[in-house]
Amino acid sequence: EVQLVESGGGLVQPGGSLRLSCAASGFIFSDHYMDWVRQAPGKGLEWVGRIRKKANSYTTEYAASVKGRFTISRDDSKNSLYLQMNSLKTEDTAMYYCTRLSSAGGGYSDYWGQGTLVTVSS
Amino acid sequence: DIQMTQSPSSLSASIGDRVTITCRASQGISNYLAWFQQKPGKAPKSLIYTASSLQTGVPSKFSGSGSGTDFTLTINSLQPEDFATYYCQQYTSYPLTFGGGTKVEIK
Repeated sequence: EVQLVESGGGLVQPGGSLRLSCAASGFIFSDHYMDWVRQAPGKGLEWVGRIRKKANSYTTEYAASVKGRFTISRDDSKNSLYLQMNSLKTEDTAMYYCTRLSSAGGGYSDYWGQGTLVTVSS
Repeated sequence: DIQMTQSPSSLSASIGDRVTITCRASQGISNYLAWFQQKPGKAPKSLIYTASSLQTGVPSKFSGSGSGTDFTLTINSLQPEDFATYYCQQYTSYPLTFGGGTKVEIK
């Protein structure tokens, strides 16, 4: 069974940093691209970014709203995905989901974690 | 960026109804369109990919169609567990973008 479990969320002051983790199990983690998606309270879904697999040099893509502040990384030996968030703003307050990209269908998010809540407030 | 516009933003329907939700892309995305269902307090769940392919385990009452810029999600015989918010997403180009969501409520 595919499982994605996020952790690391919490309350942080504006300008602060936080590192989210996503523990993957039930599939060959190293074979899949991974995404982060977030959802502000009461709002819709917003794609945050992507990391490709080793065969694609672990390259990344980011939304303009987080580029230069957020960094996505992965450790295939630990089946883990990370989101390093720096220079946090109040508008980064959201539930953050990690998602697995399907190998089929052109690469869509076929599995989602339960999310971890990040609150940026003074 | 490709803008995804869903309509309606909300709808009320009765048990047993057939419901159709529309998603329009601001430019052609071929069939790189996914649909997700989200229930309150829960993570989104994948329903459909490549516009019309059903995710494993999703009941056949859900169907998708369209290509290019116009897409639809149809839910047949609405049941209590189908009341949720539905999102479309294009995944043909970066940044990936979602529609604003359609909340399906009980009439």
